[in-house]
Amino acid sequence: DADVTQTPRNRITKTGKRIMLECSQTKGHDRMYWYRQDPGLGLRLIYYSFDVKDINKGEISDGYSVSRQAQAKFSLSLESAIPNQTALYFCATSEPDRPYSNQPQHFGDGTRLSIL
Amino acid sequence: GENVEQHPSTLSVQEGDSAVIKCTYSDSASNYFPWYKQELGKRPQLIIDIRSNVGEKKDQRIAVTLNKTAKHFSLHITETQPEDSAVYFCAARGSSNTGKLIFGQGTTLQVKP
Repeated sequence: DADVTQTPRNRITKTGKRIMLECSQTKGHDRMYWYRQDPGLGLRLIYYSFDVKDINKGEISDGYSVSRQAQAKFSLSLESAIPNQTALYFCATSEPDRPYSNQPQHFGDGTRLSIL
Repeated sequence: GENVEQHPSTLSVQEGDSAVIKCTYSDSASNYFPWYKQELGKRPQLIIDIRSNVGEKKDQRIAVTLNKTAKHFSLHITETQPEDSAVYFCAARGSSNTGKLIFGQGTTLQVKP
């Protein structure tokens, strides 16, 4: 089955380290998204990309950067990790909407990141 | 900015009872409203969605209603079962063609056998 795969699934690291979270998809979708999930705050959008030449900031992009290496790959980096970036991170993909048909977002299994 | 408020944050019901989760949104141009279910340790998965030109949509035991005037939409689960226990998220997407979803804070539903 076509899927959205995130690596690593879990990561523990120290303050100040550079971290990269990777997302790859076999769905053939053009659009990709990075979210973080915190208890009581829901899912908040960090960055999104419509294609390899299109990168956009979401609600909470400060402290993060992304790279769209190919249609199928979208990476999230924390240049200098800090403890309040401890969270569950999700990648998602979607197709562009079609007339009279909204295309849902499909999520990966998530990366649980802990920063000490 | 765009905002989605979701209530309640936790909900406990007896098996067989109904459960209702409510969301309000701030952007009157929002035109798409999906609901996601997230089981413990799993990814969010779409369970139902509704477009702004429809007032109600039903899929077996799940239904969603939309009141555009009040900027309010709700998820209704009837005849709840223990496997309905999960965190549920509502979301809204604005009219701009970005695909961006604004999520609610989530509701933890517990169905007691």
